[in-house]
Amino acid sequence: SQQGEEDPQALSIQEGENATMNCSYKTSINNLQWYRQNSGRGLVHLILIRSNEREKHSGRLRVTLDTSKKSSSLLITASRAADTASYFCATDFSGTASKLTFGTGTRLQVTL
Amino acid sequence: DGGITQSPKYLFRKEGQNVTLSCEQNLNHDAMYWYRQDPGQGLRLIYYSQIVNDFQKGDIAEGYSVSREKKESFPLTVTSAQKNPTAFYLCASSIQAGPYEQYFGPGTRLTVT
Repeated sequence: SQQGEEDPQALSIQEGENATMNCSYKTSINNLQWYRQNSGRGLVHLILIRSNEREKHSGRLRVTLDTSKKSSSLLITASRAADTASYFCATDFSGTASKLTFGTGTRLQVTL
Repeated sequence: DGGITQSPKYLFRKEGQNVTLSCEQNLNHDAMYWYRQDPGQGLRLIYYSQIVNDFQKGDIAEGYSVSREKKESFPLTVTSAQKNPTAFYLCASSIQAGPYEQYFGPGTRLTVT
């Protein structure tokens, strides 16, 4: 399968702490995207990083991409209870650029 | 408001019945997608459409069918041939097929008993 794999599968932290989740993939990509899903809802796009970029920021989010290791990380700084959700990475593989392939997700729980 | 809508939110059917899930978008997007999500799992692509009157099978198309007669609409039919249809179904669209941000609907939870 070309599906990305997130690590860890679940993460529980306290409000104010940073949360880091990782995504690994198997083949060359054009870009990598991160999405968020609140329980029972649709996904919301967070950030897109292109294969020629190494780091990108958006508010409290920081995404890195290491194409040599075929991996990406999403860092959420100063987490809030409202950040509780599942986070998915999605890649468009260079050979099948017409669709995205989603990873298995990291379930983040932020407690007060 | 621009967006993508799915209806209904919850759907119950008896085994052996076909059921059609609705997906409508007013974002003027060319590409539309259907995904299936099982509890605690990621998304798996069922079908996608790059343009009106065109669609391709995704990774798990067996037991499903779609149509794309209008740009705004991409209905999914879950047929009686789908062996395990109970799942959460998500529709999405993007400006074009490819490495673009996808916009998701709120999902339809289908339960077949």
